[in-house]
Amino acid sequence: RKEVEQDPGPFNVPEGATVAFNCTYSNSASQSFFWYRQDCRKEPKLLMSVYSSGNEDGRFTAQLNRASQYISLLIRDSKLSDSATYLCAVQDSGNTPLVFGKGTRLSVIA
Amino acid sequence: SQTIHQWPATLVQPVGSPLSLECTVEGTSNPNLYWYRQAAGRGLQLLFYSVGIGQISSEVPQNLSASRPQDRQFILSSKKLLLSDSGFYLCAWRPSGANVLTFGAGSRLTVL
Repeated sequence: RKEVEQDPGPFNVPEGATVAFNCTYSNSASQSFFWYRQDCRKEPKLLMSVYSSGNEDGRFTAQLNRASQYISLLIRDSKLSDSATYLCAVQDSGNTPLVFGKGTRLSVIA
Repeated sequence: SQTIHQWPATLVQPVGSPLSLECTVEGTSNPNLYWYRQAAGRGLQLLFYSVGIGQISSEVPQNLSASRPQDRQFILSSKKLLLSDSGFYLCAWRPSGANVLTFGAGSRLTVL
């Protein structure tokens, strides 16, 4: 069974803190990786794709470690507005559906 | 631009009643379409996906069914709802051959 596992959370951090989430996947042949953000009672929205060389978007950095089969998301200088659930997603190839982790809830506290 | 519409947004149904949730995508052709369910305290569970009209793949055996009568329309149905069918149902789409998945706003179902 193909699985995607995430840190259970919740993560409660003060504003300005740096927080990191990890996500492991079981299928070594997986090819595409993503981080989604989901606000309470809303749909998930794509935060960023994860590239083999790692990628950064402002305060957010995503990394992929194929050898250990995990992806990570680093959020620097946390804002109150970063409070949400963060879902990782993995795709094997082509048209195969994305498999999502259960999500990690982040609460940034003033 | 492409948009995805999903309705109804919220519904409360009695056990044993039928269900129909609809999803349409605009601004694209031949999209891959998906139905996910998110139950309380659980992750996103893939229910069905479709790569073309009339082509439905089922991931989880249950009392739900899906249909794709038109290229950009995806329908989730049930003849008789169970309590365990309660949850947040999300339709999603992505361009054929691409991997960026976009969700609709979701339909929140409560079965009483």
